[in-house]
Amino acid sequence: DTGVSQDPRHKITKRGQNVTFRCDPISEHNRLYWYRQTLGQGPEFLTYFQNEAQLEKSRLLSDRFSAERPKGSFSTLEIQRTEQGDSAMYLCASSLAGGGYTEAFFGQGTRLTVV
Amino acid sequence: QKEVEQNSGPLSVPEGAIASLNCTYSDRGSQSFFWYRQYSGKSPELIMFIYSNGDKEDGRFTAQLNKASQYVSLLIRDSQPSDSATYLCAVNAGNMLTFGGGTRLMVKP
Repeated sequence: DTGVSQDPRHKITKRGQNVTFRCDPISEHNRLYWYRQTLGQGPEFLTYFQNEAQLEKSRLLSDRFSAERPKGSFSTLEIQRTEQGDSAMYLCASSLAGGGYTEAFFGQGTRLTVV
Repeated sequence: QKEVEQNSGPLSVPEGAIASLNCTYSDRGSQSFFWYRQYSGKSPELIMFIYSNGDKEDGRFTAQLNKASQYVSLLIRDSQPSDSATYLCAVNAGNMLTFGGGTRLMVKP
């Protein structure tokens, strides 16, 4: 397995446009997480899925953000009407749900720049 | 108060020395603790995790956990210039990780 894969790696968009990012987790992992990271900060939790169910969403996830994991495999994160404050690295991670939390592995990230 | 606190650094150590990175957390219900390394412009890479009080060693890395003091640390022995990166402490008290802001480590040749 090649690990967690994210696409695109970089995205530049104009303010007000919509963007969509894709994440392919490690194949046997049933948990998938989205985080956002800005310069000099640690990753901030956005949302997570177990299989196809979205089980938790951060209050950071405004109504302009939506995430899906339609068949419990890949996931998409869409940002509508982007704002300059959305500029960040968007990180996807996956893990195997067990008796409690297990270690999560990150993809390469998608760097979003809103101009 | 942030849930996971780290000194932002930079922490500068000479090559071959021991680097000591520290992290405190506020949620006493936290069950598992992780250290990630992040090179500039790259994504976090898991290097250690620890669940039980005490020490856990993996090669040049030792993670230390003290749940009573709500404190977790990472020791890097024989530091190398390639260890220069930001080290992120992450804590789990449910189904997701809460990260600290990271400590930037610089290992000087």
